[in-house]
Amino acid sequence: EAQVTQNPRYLITVTGKKLTVTCSQNMNHEYMSWYRQDPGLGLRQIYYSMNVEVTDKGDVPEGYKVSRKEKRNFPLILESPSPNQTSLYFCASTPIQGTTGELFFGEGSRLTVL
Amino acid sequence: TQLLEQSPQFLSIQEGENLTVYCNSSSVFSSLQWYRQEPGEGPVLLVTVVTGGEVKKLKRLTFQFGDARKDSSLHITAAQPGDTGLYLCAGPLPYNFNKFYFGSGTKLNVKP
Repeated sequence: EAQVTQNPRYLITVTGKKLTVTCSQNMNHEYMSWYRQDPGLGLRQIYYSMNVEVTDKGDVPEGYKVSRKEKRNFPLILESPSPNQTSLYFCASTPIQGTTGELFFGEGSRLTVL
Repeated sequence: TQLLEQSPQFLSIQEGENLTVYCNSSSVFSSLQWYRQEPGEGPVLLVTVVTGGEVKKLKRLTFQFGDARKDSSLHITAAQPGDTGLYLCAGPLPYNFNKFYFGSGTKLNVKP
């Protein structure tokens, strides 16, 4: 089954404790991206990757890092999480980003930083 | 401020009613997409509109892209409880297809 898989789905952590949210897709998509969803703000793009070893900042990259060492994986790293990073995070992929590229989303990872 | 503004933010209607959701921007978009998101899940694409003035129909849903490609609307005829969800418009700006912007969303509740 074609899918985007995120882990963990739920996480409660404390300020400053490094964490990684993994994202994996089995559709051989070149483009992958991370979003955070907060009430009243819709989804905001954090980082995106056009292919292996090619990443760039989205609209809200502060406090996050990413890497793309393999085509299928695009982990999101929070080196020193803070309470304002409490949010619902989504990973998405698409074959090639362009004007009509459909984004395929994972089920989301709900992160709480105390 | 959001690049894409959606209205209304919330909509609660009875089954069988019609409704329209709006998505507006001061910027021109190459294309706009509409997604629907249900609780506990990621958004799922409903439609993509590409040409200014384009109208697309998906059963009881009608999507329109404004002539100037700065706005879009979603009209639902005879809403059903299964239409309940969060509707999001989204799209890339013409000069960078890799940066994707989403509207703030319209939360629709259709009561039986």
